[in-house]
Amino acid sequence: KAGVTQTPRYLIKTRGQQVTLSCSPISGHRSVSWYQQTPGQGLQFLFEYFSETQRNKGNFPGRFSGRQFSNSRSEMNVSTLELGDSALYLCASSPGTPGSGAFFGQGTRLTVV
Amino acid sequence: QKEVEQNSGPLSVPEGAIASLNCTYSDRGSQSFFWYRQYSGKSPELIMFIYSNGDKEDGRFTAQLNKASQYVSLLIRDSQPSDSATYLCAVTRSGGYNKLIFGAGTRLAVHP
Repeated sequence: KAGVTQTPRYLIKTRGQQVTLSCSPISGHRSVSWYQQTPGQGLQFLFEYFSETQRNKGNFPGRFSGRQFSNSRSEMNVSTLELGDSALYLCASSPGTPGSGAFFGQGTRLTVV
Repeated sequence: QKEVEQNSGPLSVPEGAIASLNCTYSDRGSQSFFWYRQYSGKSPELIMFIYSNGDKEDGRFTAQLNKASQYVSLLIRDSQPSDSATYLCAVTRSGGYNKLIFGAGTRLAVHP
Protein backbone atom coordinates (compact mmCIF):
# COMPACT_ATOMS: atom_id res chain seq x y z
CA LYS A 1 0.00 0.00 0.00
CA ALA A 2 1.47 3.36 -0.99
CA GLY A 3 2.09 5.81 1.81
CA VAL A 4 1.25 9.46 2.10
CA THR A 5 2.71 11.48 -0.76
CA GLN A 6 3.50 15.16 -0.44
CA THR A 7 4.65 17.46 -3.20
CA PRO A 8 6.85 19.31 -3.62
CA ARG A 9 9.50 18.18 -1.15
CA TYR A 10 11.29 21.53 -1.08
CA LEU A 11 10.22 25.08 -1.85
CA ILE A 12 11.87 28.46 -1.67
CA LYS A 13 9.54 31.45 -1.81
CA THR A 14 9.88 35.17 -1.37
CA ARG A 15 8.11 37.08 1.39
CA GLY A 16 4.68 38.21 0.24
CA GLN A 17 4.19 35.38 -2.25
CA GLN A 18 1.73 32.55 -1.86
CA VAL A 19 2.30 28.82 -1.96
CA THR A 20 0.22 25.68 -2.48
CA LEU A 21 1.25 22.31 -1.07
CA SER A 22 -0.28 19.01 -2.09
CA CYS A 23 -0.97 15.77 -0.26
CA SER A 24 -2.24 12.39 -1.45
CA PRO A 25 -3.35 10.23 1.48
CA ILE A 26 -3.12 6.48 1.87
CA SER A 27 -5.69 4.75 -0.32
CA GLY A 28 -8.97 4.39 1.58
CA HIS A 29 -8.13 7.05 4.14
CA ARG A 30 -10.67 9.84 4.22
CA SER A 31 -9.11 12.14 6.81
CA VAL A 32 -6.22 14.44 5.99
CA SER A 33 -4.60 16.71 8.55
CA TRP A 34 -1.87 19.29 8.15
CA TYR A 35 0.83 20.19 10.67
CA GLN A 36 3.59 22.75 10.85
CA GLN A 37 6.88 21.76 12.46
CA THR A 38 9.47 24.30 13.54
CA PRO A 39 12.41 23.98 15.97
CA GLY A 40 10.88 26.54 18.30
CA GLN A 41 7.21 25.51 18.33
CA GLY A 42 7.42 21.83 17.54
CA LEU A 43 4.55 20.11 15.75
CA GLN A 44 1.42 22.23 15.58
CA PHE A 45 -1.93 21.27 14.12
CA LEU A 46 -3.22 23.40 11.26
CA PHE A 47 -6.47 21.75 10.18
CA GLU A 48 -8.19 18.47 9.40
CA TYR A 49 -10.39 17.59 6.45
CA PHE A 50 -12.78 14.70 6.20
CA SER A 51 -15.00 14.02 3.20
CA GLU A 52 -14.16 17.42 1.71
CA THR A 53 -15.18 19.27 4.91
CA GLN A 54 -12.93 20.98 7.40
CA ARG A 55 -13.85 19.49 10.74
CA ASN A 56 -11.10 20.86 12.93
CA LYS A 57 -8.87 23.92 12.86
CA GLY A 58 -5.81 24.99 14.81
CA ASN A 59 -4.76 28.44 15.94
CA PHE A 60 -3.24 29.78 12.77
CA PRO A 61 -4.09 33.01 10.94
CA GLY A 62 -6.48 33.04 8.02
CA ARG A 63 -3.54 33.16 5.61
CA PHE A 64 -3.40 29.42 6.08
CA SER A 65 -6.16 27.58 4.28
CA GLY A 66 -6.83 24.19 2.84
CA ARG A 67 -9.22 22.07 0.94
CA GLN A 68 -9.93 18.45 0.18
CA PHE A 69 -11.10 16.95 -3.07
CA SER A 70 -13.55 14.12 -3.66
CA ASN A 71 -10.66 11.65 -4.08
CA SER A 72 -9.41 12.67 -0.58
CA ARG A 73 -6.36 14.46 -1.94
CA SER A 74 -5.76 17.71 -0.11
CA GLU A 75 -4.06 21.01 -0.73
CA MET A 76 -2.85 23.61 1.68
CA ASN A 77 -2.37 27.24 0.75
CA VAL A 78 -0.43 29.96 2.52
CA SER A 79 -0.91 33.49 1.25
CA THR A 80 1.23 36.57 1.87
CA LEU A 81 4.16 34.53 3.10
CA GLU A 82 6.16 35.74 6.08
CA LEU A 83 9.66 34.77 7.12
CA GLY A 84 8.19 32.98 10.13
CA ASP A 85 6.29 30.61 7.84
CA SER A 86 9.54 28.82 7.07
CA ALA A 87 8.92 25.33 8.38
CA LEU A 88 8.39 21.69 7.57
CA TYR A 89 4.77 21.17 6.58
CA LEU A 90 3.51 17.68 7.21
CA CYS A 91 0.40 16.01 5.93
CA ALA A 92 -1.10 13.14 7.91
CA SER A 93 -3.57 10.57 6.68
CA SER A 94 -6.08 8.70 8.86
CA PRO A 95 -8.87 6.21 8.22
CA GLY A 96 -11.25 8.77 9.72
CA THR A 97 -12.32 7.09 12.93
CA PRO A 98 -11.51 9.49 15.77
CA GLY A 99 -8.39 8.43 17.62
CA SER A 100 -7.24 6.03 14.92
CA GLY A 101 -3.82 7.58 14.64
CA ALA A 102 -2.22 9.37 11.76
CA PHE A 103 0.42 8.44 9.22
CA PHE A 104 2.67 11.19 8.02
CA GLY A 105 4.06 12.00 4.63
CA GLN A 106 7.68 13.04 4.10
CA GLY A 107 6.77 16.70 4.36
CA THR A 108 7.40 19.83 2.36
CA ARG A 109 10.28 21.99 3.53
CA LEU A 110 9.28 25.61 2.90
CA THR A 111 11.86 28.36 3.11
CA VAL A 112 10.69 31.97 2.91
CA VAL A 113 13.39 34.50 2.03
CA GLN B 1 1.56 24.90 31.19
CA LYS B 2 1.75 23.04 27.92
CA GLU B 3 -0.98 20.54 27.24
CA VAL B 4 1.48 17.70 26.60
CA GLU B 5 4.82 17.75 28.39
CA GLN B 6 7.91 15.71 27.77
CA ASN B 7 11.44 15.94 29.05
CA SER B 8 13.51 17.15 26.10
CA GLY B 9 16.50 14.99 27.03
CA PRO B 10 18.77 13.82 25.71
CA LEU B 11 18.12 10.52 27.42
CA SER B 12 21.27 8.48 27.07
CA VAL B 13 21.14 4.70 27.58
CA PRO B 14 23.62 1.94 26.80
CA GLU B 15 22.87 -0.61 24.13
CA GLY B 16 20.74 -3.47 25.49
CA ALA B 17 19.25 -1.42 28.31
CA ILE B 18 15.63 -0.37 28.82
CA ALA B 19 14.82 3.18 27.75
CA SER B 20 11.93 4.78 29.61
CA LEU B 21 10.24 7.80 28.04
CA ASN B 22 7.58 9.74 29.89
CA CYS B 23 4.81 12.12 28.95
CA THR B 24 2.21 13.99 31.00
CA TYR B 25 -0.93 15.67 29.74
CA SER B 26 -3.14 18.29 31.31
CA ASP B 27 -6.58 17.71 29.75
CA ARG B 28 -8.52 14.98 31.52
CA GLY B 29 -10.68 14.76 28.40
CA SER B 30 -7.76 13.32 26.47
CA GLN B 31 -8.89 10.12 24.90
CA SER B 32 -6.23 8.47 22.75
CA PHE B 33 -2.48 8.44 23.20
CA PHE B 34 0.22 7.94 20.63
CA TRP B 35 3.97 7.56 20.44
CA TYR B 36 5.79 8.65 17.33
CA ARG B 37 9.46 8.25 16.47
CA GLN B 38 11.19 10.89 14.39
CA TYR B 39 14.66 10.46 13.01
CA SER B 40 16.60 13.61 12.22
CA GLY B 41 15.46 15.04 8.90
CA LYS B 42 12.56 12.58 8.59
CA SER B 43 8.85 12.71 9.30
CA PRO B 44 7.23 11.20 12.42
CA GLU B 45 6.47 7.48 12.33
CA LEU B 46 3.67 5.99 14.44
CA ILE B 47 5.02 3.24 16.68
CA MET B 48 2.38 2.72 19.39
CA PHE B 49 -1.07 3.84 20.45
CA ILE B 50 -3.02 3.16 23.62
CA TYR B 51 -6.55 4.01 24.70
CA SER B 52 -7.10 2.17 27.99
CA ASN B 53 -5.37 2.22 31.33
CA GLY B 54 -2.64 -0.35 31.68
CA ASP B 55 0.09 -1.72 29.47
CA LYS B 56 0.19 -2.49 25.77
CA GLU B 57 3.09 -4.43 24.33
CA ASP B 58 4.30 -4.60 20.74
CA GLY B 59 7.63 -6.31 20.23
CA ARG B 60 10.31 -4.41 22.14
CA PHE B 61 7.93 -1.54 22.86
CA THR B 62 5.51 -1.22 25.78
CA ALA B 63 3.16 1.72 26.20
CA GLN B 64 1.76 2.41 29.66
CA LEU B 65 -1.22 4.63 30.40
CA ASN B 66 -2.38 5.94 33.76
CA LYS B 67 -5.35 8.26 33.28
CA ALA B 68 -5.72 9.02 36.99
CA SER B 69 -2.19 10.41 37.10
CA GLN B 70 -2.41 11.75 33.54
CA TYR B 71 0.74 10.21 32.26
CA VAL B 72 1.72 7.89 29.48
CA SER B 73 5.07 6.23 29.06
CA LEU B 74 6.97 4.23 26.48
CA LEU B 75 9.45 1.53 27.39
CA ILE B 76 11.93 0.29 24.83
CA ARG B 77 13.55 -3.00 25.80
CA ASP B 78 16.93 -4.14 24.49
CA SER B 79 17.64 -0.65 23.13
CA GLN B 80 19.64 -0.50 19.92
CA PRO B 81 21.66 2.35 18.41
CA SER B 82 19.03 2.41 15.64
CA ASP B 83 16.48 3.47 18.28
CA SER B 84 18.31 6.79 18.64
CA ALA B 85 15.72 9.37 17.60
CA THR B 86 13.27 11.88 19.00
CA TYR B 87 10.17 10.31 20.51
CA LEU B 88 7.01 12.37 20.34
CA CYS B 89 4.03 11.85 22.58
CA ALA B 90 0.66 12.92 21.16
CA VAL B 91 -2.91 12.91 22.45
CA THR B 92 -6.34 13.45 21.01
CA ARG B 93 -9.25 14.91 22.94
CA SER B 94 -12.81 13.74 23.02
CA GLY B 95 -14.53 15.47 20.12
CA GLY B 96 -11.18 16.44 18.63
CA TYR B 97 -11.45 13.90 15.83
CA ASN B 98 -7.91 13.23 14.61
CA LYS B 99 -6.34 16.44 15.89
CA LEU B 100 -3.07 15.38 17.50
CA ILE B 101 -1.60 17.53 20.23
CA PHE B 102 2.12 16.87 20.43
CA GLY B 103 4.67 17.23 23.13
CA ALA B 104 8.03 18.72 22.26
CA GLY B 105 9.64 15.29 22.13
CA THR B 106 12.39 13.48 24.00
CA ARG B 107 15.68 12.85 22.27
CA LEU B 108 16.96 9.33 22.92
CA ALA B 109 20.59 8.41 22.37
CA VAL B 110 21.55 4.73 22.57
CA HIS B 111 25.31 4.28 22.76
CA PRO B 112 27.16 1.04 21.96
